[in-house]
Amino acid sequence: EAGVAQSPRYKIIEKRQSVAFWCNPISGHATLYWYQQILGQGPKLLIQFQNNGVVDDSQLPKDRFSAERLKGVDSTLKIQPAKLEDSAVYLCASSLRTGGSYNEQFFGPGTRLTVL
Amino acid sequence: DAKTTQPPSMDCAEGRAANLPCNHSTISGNEYVYWYRQIHSQGPQYIIHGLKNNETNEMASLIITEDRKSSTLILPHATLRDTAVYYCIVRSANRDDKIIFGKGTRLHILP
Repeated sequence: EAGVAQSPRYKIIEKRQSVAFWCNPISGHATLYWYQQILGQGPKLLIQFQNNGVVDDSQLPKDRFSAERLKGVDSTLKIQPAKLEDSAVYLCASSLRTGGSYNEQFFGPGTRLTVL
Repeated sequence: DAKTTQPPSMDCAEGRAANLPCNHSTISGNEYVYWYRQIHSQGPQYIIHGLKNNETNEMASLIITEDRKSSTLILPHATLRDTAVYYCIVRSANRDDKIIFGKGTRLHILP
């Protein structure tokens, strides 16, 4: 079974530039998550999709971050314009459903973003 | 904020059992204890979860105290590949309840 795919794996940009990350979840997984992981900390949820609808985006900085999952499959996360504090690993995860006691999230390898 | 407290780091000799503690004194009756781990440069990986009974799978065992205020993840025969950050997470089965990661425990397996 193929895992969660993310690209690119690494990205270096200058502040005020724009960047986009792509995620392809495991086939058949209805729920997709984007996390931000700053060095030395645990991942922090940015946004959660159920199919192509947003379930939770309470921690997404909406003035600069946006995400979409138009066809309910793959997703893109965009930052525009980037700030120095956006340097982090951006993780995508998917799960078969939302909720339930057994709701294992499968994570991709992440995209490491460096903002100079 | 994370609802759990874990030691920042631990060492364990290769081949021995690694016992990782977690405190969750404010856990609610409908909340489960989940464990994930994150190996360097990879995304987190699910290990195990439980409600009140002890659980075992091919990766680990989870021991939850009777009052459910703490738990221990046991890796029975640690190998160098078990070196990782281990996250203990408390969450309910509700649709809107998300996983909140703390800083976890950095486990070093010593050869």
